[in-house]
Amino acid sequence: ETGVTQTPRHLVMGMTNKKSLKCEQHLGHNAMYWYKQSAKKPLELMFVYNFKEQTENNSVPSRFSPECPNSSHLFLHLHTLQPEDSALYLCASSQASIAGDPYNEQFFGPGTRLTVL
Amino acid sequence: GQNIDQPTEMTATEGAIVQINCTYQTSGFNGLFWYQQHAGEAPTFLSYNVLDGLEEKGRFSSFLSRSKGYSYLLLKELQMKDSASYLCAPMDSNYQLIWGAGTKLIIKP
Repeated sequence: ETGVTQTPRHLVMGMTNKKSLKCEQHLGHNAMYWYKQSAKKPLELMFVYNFKEQTENNSVPSRFSPECPNSSHLFLHLHTLQPEDSALYLCASSQASIAGDPYNEQFFGPGTRLTVL
Repeated sequence: GQNIDQPTEMTATEGAIVQINCTYQTSGFNGLFWYQQHAGEAPTFLSYNVLDGLEEKGRFSSFLSRSKGYSYLLLKELQMKDSASYLCAPMDSNYQLIWGAGTKLIIKP
């Protein structure tokens, strides 16, 4: 496997279910990201991990819970979601941007299309 | 606040040239990225500008004016496969990308 992979690619779940999204990067990066993409809206940054430490949590509801066990893997645990949470969830990775070296393009996975019934 | 403004949709003809504009307001600035996203697929990196001026990369060029908070992506010799959304994303002082909603580009034969 190369690049950034995500599983599952599609997920349908009920509001009372618990599920997890998985992301894995094979690029040797040390920063990983979760984004939500809804139709005709900008990408919404949800969580950022730099060197396995969470550095951003953009006011995301607690029904979304990230986990980063190592620099190659990132999970998004889901529970008691709402229908408005239906969206494309994208994982990305990059080298961590630091002062003097901000140019680090993000590589995206194919996304998980989530539908909450 | 932080804001990105780019046209929602543009239409162009195969073989022609199109310019997609982006204006932005961010808390600090560490460069600006352009990404391409085909329907149902992940965004892919196109260009990065941190200094004023034009960066050319094959059929695609990107321009930046920091004083005006303005960038554009120029696509030449348009091909049908260029039909996609183009996302403008400046990087703020916290090294976070601030994403626009994207411009959907439709190429007609």
